[in-house]
Amino acid sequence: ETVLTQSPATLSLSPGERATLSCRASQSVSSYVAWYQQKPGQAPRLLIYDASYRATGIPARFSGSGSETDFTLTISSLEPEDFAVYYCQQRSNWPPITFGQGTRLEIK
Amino acid sequence: QVLLQESGPGLVKPSETLSLTCTVSGDSMSGSYWNWIRLAPGKGVEWIGSISYSGSTGYNPSLRSRVAISVDTSKNQFSLRLTSVSAADTAVYYCARERWLQFNYYMDAWGKGTTVTVSS
Repeated sequence: ETVLTQSPATLSLSPGERATLSCRASQSVSSYVAWYQQKPGQAPRLLIYDASYRATGIPARFSGSGSETDFTLTISSLEPEDFAVYYCQQRSNWPPITFGQGTRLEIK
Repeated sequence: QVLLQESGPGLVKPSETLSLTCTVSGDSMSGSYWNWIRLAPGKGVEWIGSISYSGSTGYNPSLRSRVAISVDTSKNQFSLRLTSVSAADTAVYYCARERWLQFNYYMDAWGKGTTVTVSS
């Protein structure tokens, strides 16, 4: 099973700041990584797929990068609605599909 | 626009079987994978398994002995059965569509989730 480790567990920032979230895989997953955003009481929403492609309707302030074992989600300038939990997910070595444990992005 | 809706009992007794159904509207089920995922209190997101339109399945090895996913294309539904449940299976259960995007399949549409509590 490919384990995804996200860091930090919690990130405290202010609106307008830049957020950098990390996801590390226990083995190579090529570029088959997605990022999801989840707000309380809502389902996860796909933000990024194939490591760097924005999903439909996702603002340009969200970007993804990385390959093999190290991946990054960057939010260039935080909006109030961006404070949520973010998960990475790999679709390379399955089953099982695996998710990271999440990074909570909170308002400082 | 595709919509997914989970349905099923919100309370299941220990050792019994959890059964949920996901109804898909606004999209054909062909060409996609259909997934069950759960989020347990204080835990991360766990993929349970998936099924294709043709009925090909994949399961999480940690749950394989207790899980069965089936599809009814005539009703645009797919279903989850999880046997011998315990308190550890208490979670919010989501169904999700995996669609081919660029180079692989990803979950681009999700149901709102349904809370299942295992308790006597």
